[in-house]
Amino acid sequence: QKEVEQDPGPLSVPEGAIVSLNCTYSNSAFQYFMWYRQYSRKGPELLMYTYSSGNKEDGRFTAQVDKSSKYISLFIRDSQPSDSATYLCAMRDQGGSEKLVFGKGMKLTVNP
Amino acid sequence: GAVVSQHPSRVICKSGTSVKIECRSLDFQATTMFWYRQFPKKSLMLMATSNEGSKATYEQGVEKDKFLINHASLTLSTLTVTSAHPEDSSFYICSARRTGNTIYFGEGSWLTVV
Repeated sequence: QKEVEQDPGPLSVPEGAIVSLNCTYSNSAFQYFMWYRQYSRKGPELLMYTYSSGNKEDGRFTAQVDKSSKYISLFIRDSQPSDSATYLCAMRDQGGSEKLVFGKGMKLTVNP
Repeated sequence: GAVVSQHPSRVICKSGTSVKIECRSLDFQATTMFWYRQFPKKSLMLMATSNEGSKATYEQGVEKDKFLINHASLTLSTLTVTSAHPEDSSFYICSARRTGNTIYFGEGSWLTVV
């Protein structure tokens, strides 16, 4: 089993839809959880950062972490065509290793 | 705006030559930076962890003599691809850890070896 599992999609939704992106993980030591957005041929852009369990909201984006289920989510409300990108979940533990462990990335297309 | 800058964004070099890519943290000091390689439609592959003032830690299977990493200051790490070959053509991305455990990525550098 991979440390981080993410459905690679692709996912296609109409403009205005609510999008739900998810990752599951197996390492209970993970404490820091991030979502990145990557446009084609560009570096990943940090969208959301969450420490431990809980919810975090920033504009149209909400990140949720459920450590008991080892499950994280990113919700995008009122999705826009400009949200079309690949979304990567990433996480790391609190220990000495600073390496991020990534999901495969979900390719999202929001159709106008 | 970008907090981690990479340069150049695109570079074409001849086979057998070396090319250097710079990664700078713009408004913070980064004791640790990371170098990744990304193949088309694939996730990021960590190549090495770059620590300021010490040797980089390379991932298994990454040739340290081919991919030279120097982290000479708290805001700059460089990746030098030595004796480049066409199979080294790829998208190289750096990231830097900011205080508070957030990690920011650079814009990436496209390397084409001809």
